[in-house]
Amino acid sequence: AQKITQTQPGMFVQEKEAVTLDCTYDTSDQSYGLFWYKQPSSGEMIFLIYQGSYDEQNATEGRYSLNFQKARKSANLVISASQLGDSAMYFCAMRENLEGAQKLVFGQGTRLTINP
Amino acid sequence: DAGVTQSPTHLIKTRGQQVTLRCSPKSGHDTVSWYQQALGQGPQFIFQYYEEEERQRGNFPDRFSGHQFPNYSSELNVNALWLGDSALYLCASSLLGKETQYFGPGTRLLVL
Repeated sequence: AQKITQTQPGMFVQEKEAVTLDCTYDTSDQSYGLFWYKQPSSGEMIFLIYQGSYDEQNATEGRYSLNFQKARKSANLVISASQLGDSAMYFCAMRENLEGAQKLVFGQGTRLTINP
Repeated sequence: DAGVTQSPTHLIKTRGQQVTLRCSPKSGHDTVSWYQQALGQGPQFIFQYYEEEERQRGNFPDRFSGHQFPNYSSELNVNALWLGDSALYLCASSLLGKETQYFGPGTRLLVL
């Protein structure tokens, strides 16, 4: 079974600094996808970034980048120039294929707090 | 372009009751997945619907059932509610064959 581990329960960062949120994964599949979602206190899961296992380049979306190290099975999220609005829960997830269906397996999350 | 919508936003039920949660997928999407998120946890996969059929189910009892309609909208039904069913229920939609699932705002269910 696939597993996602996020070892940082909470992170505190000064505004405008860069922050790295850690994510390691475990899978025996050769083809897989990794995602990061942001969950504000309102509850909605907001898609941030996706990395496919065969993608050679690290994914980037605006201020978000995914530091993908396949050999180490890590997929860390880097947020550059953090803003107060970045304060939220962040979840790392992996796509698991189940006989044609796709389910997401989530980690426990990291609560990020941006201080002014 | 409308995103994923869910109703109701909040719900309070008592043990033993039944509840129905509703989800409308993002425009153009044909696949709907349901997740349960207990307080302080990551979401857990309940099941996925495509072409009005349940494609896969996570580790949830038969008290949890669902339906998908021809317009791709979906319902999640939970019978004989337990206190432990209190959670945020998230609906996600996607296009078959595409990677990304987009989530709705969720329904917060409290079972007393």
